[in-house]
Amino acid sequence: NSKVIQTPRYLVKGQGQKAKMRCIPEKGHPVVFWYQQNKNNEFKFLINFQNQEVLQQIDMTEKRFSAECPSNSPCSLEIQSSEAGDSALYLCASSLEQNTLYFGAGTRLSVL
Amino acid sequence: AQSVTQPDARVTVSEGASLQLRCKYSYFGTPYLFWYVQYPRQGLQLLLKYYPGDPVVQGVNGFEAEFSKSNSSFHLRKASVHWSDWAVYFCAVSMSNSGTYQRFGTGTKLQVVP
Repeated sequence: NSKVIQTPRYLVKGQGQKAKMRCIPEKGHPVVFWYQQNKNNEFKFLINFQNQEVLQQIDMTEKRFSAECPSNSPCSLEIQSSEAGDSALYLCASSLEQNTLYFGAGTRLSVL
Repeated sequence: AQSVTQPDARVTVSEGASLQLRCKYSYFGTPYLFWYVQYPRQGLQLLLKYYPGDPVVQGVNGFEAEFSKSNSSFHLRKASVHWSDWAVYFCAVSMSNSGTYQRFGTGTKLQVVP
C-alpha cells in the first residue's frame, strides 16, 4: 500500500481565492509528481521534482500554479487565484526509480 | 507524441467471467507501459508494469497484460473477475527515462454483476 500522504482530502474555495495542498512522499523517494484528474478522468501532468529541483512543468503551472518540494518539509501545490475550471482531484505521486509511481489518495478541490 | 487510448469507457462482466480491458498506445520508440486501478475516493494503485522484455507481464490479484508492438496494444486480462474488482482502470505510457512523467488514458470503468 502507498504511503504517500496528501492533505487536505477536500478543499473548497471561492473563485479568486488561493488554494494550497500538501504531499508527503514515501520515505526515500527522490521524485515527486503532481497531476490533475478532472471529472472526465483526464489526467494533466502539472510538475515534477527530483529532490528539491523542478524536472518538468507545463505552461499552466508557470502562470497561476506554484509548487515546491523543500527538504525536510512536505511538498506543496498552490493555486494563486482559483478558477472554476480548477475543480478537480489533485494527485501527488512519488517514485524511487524506473518510473513506478506511488500515488496518494488526492486532494479534491471544489471552486465555487 | 506519446499517448494512450482506452476505447471502452465502461465494461460490464459477470462475476467469475474472464475480463479484457483494452489499451492502445502511440509512441515512437520503446515505451514503458502501466496499468493502474482506482477505487472510489482513493488514488491510483499500480497493478502491473511493462519494461522491454517478456511481452506478458503478471501483476497483482491475478491480473496480467500483454504487450504487442505490431498492434500497439497493452491489454489487461483476468481469468476470473471478483466483485471487488469493480473500479476504474487506467493505462499509462512513459518514456524510458526515470523521472519522465506518464501519460494516462481516460480509464475504463469495470462493473461486476452477479
